[in-house]
Amino acid sequence: GQNIDQPTEMTATEGAIVQINCTYQTSGFNGLFWYQQHAGEAPTFLSYNVLDGLEEKGRFSSFLSRSKGYSYLLLKELQMKDSASYLCAVRDPYNQGGKLIFGQGTELSVKP
Amino acid sequence: DTEVTQTPKHLVMGMTNKKSLKCEQHMGHRAMYWYKQKAKKPPELMFVYSYEKLSINESVPSRFSPECPNSSLLNLHLHALQPEDSALYLCASSQDGGSSYNEQFFGPGTRLTVL
Repeated sequence: GQNIDQPTEMTATEGAIVQINCTYQTSGFNGLFWYQQHAGEAPTFLSYNVLDGLEEKGRFSSFLSRSKGYSYLLLKELQMKDSASYLCAVRDPYNQGGKLIFGQGTELSVKP
Repeated sequence: DTEVTQTPKHLVMGMTNKKSLKCEQHMGHRAMYWYKQKAKKPPELMFVYSYEKLSINESVPSRFSPECPNSSLLNLHLHALQPEDSALYLCASSQDGGSSYNEQFFGPGTRLTVL
């Protein structure tokens, strides 16, 4: 079966750095996405990793280790607006029509 | 235009009603998706259309009936729903359903309440 784990909740301080981890156990691998979702809104795309290493995009970076089945999302210079749910999603290893398998999401609260 | 639009934003319906949710994109995407999302849970895939053909049905009850009239439009017809079907229904689209990089763009969702 396919399983994706991420912490349920995290709290961090404005201006700080936070790392949200995601581990996955899937029968194959074909890419990993991170999405941000504010309460009551649609998920928005943050990053995509398919090869090992770090992808940087402004204040957000995402890392992937395929051998460890592990990814993290790094958020720097945290702002209050970064309070949201962060979803880790793996492409279905059998690439069934672009299907994504989502983790449960990490609810991040940024405090002043 | 990098937007997926959905109507209505909110919908309240009784268990005997028939209603439809609509989704539209003009990005030239050939794959479109319906998701159901309950509070504090991740989106659950319901259906995938690829090149206007239904490619995935995640064992969704027949009271939900998808339709893809053309490559830009996706509908979800609702009939005889149950209160537990109350949720946020999200539409998404991607370039296609099979390439290795296939970011999904989500619409704002329809908040459905079944009484």
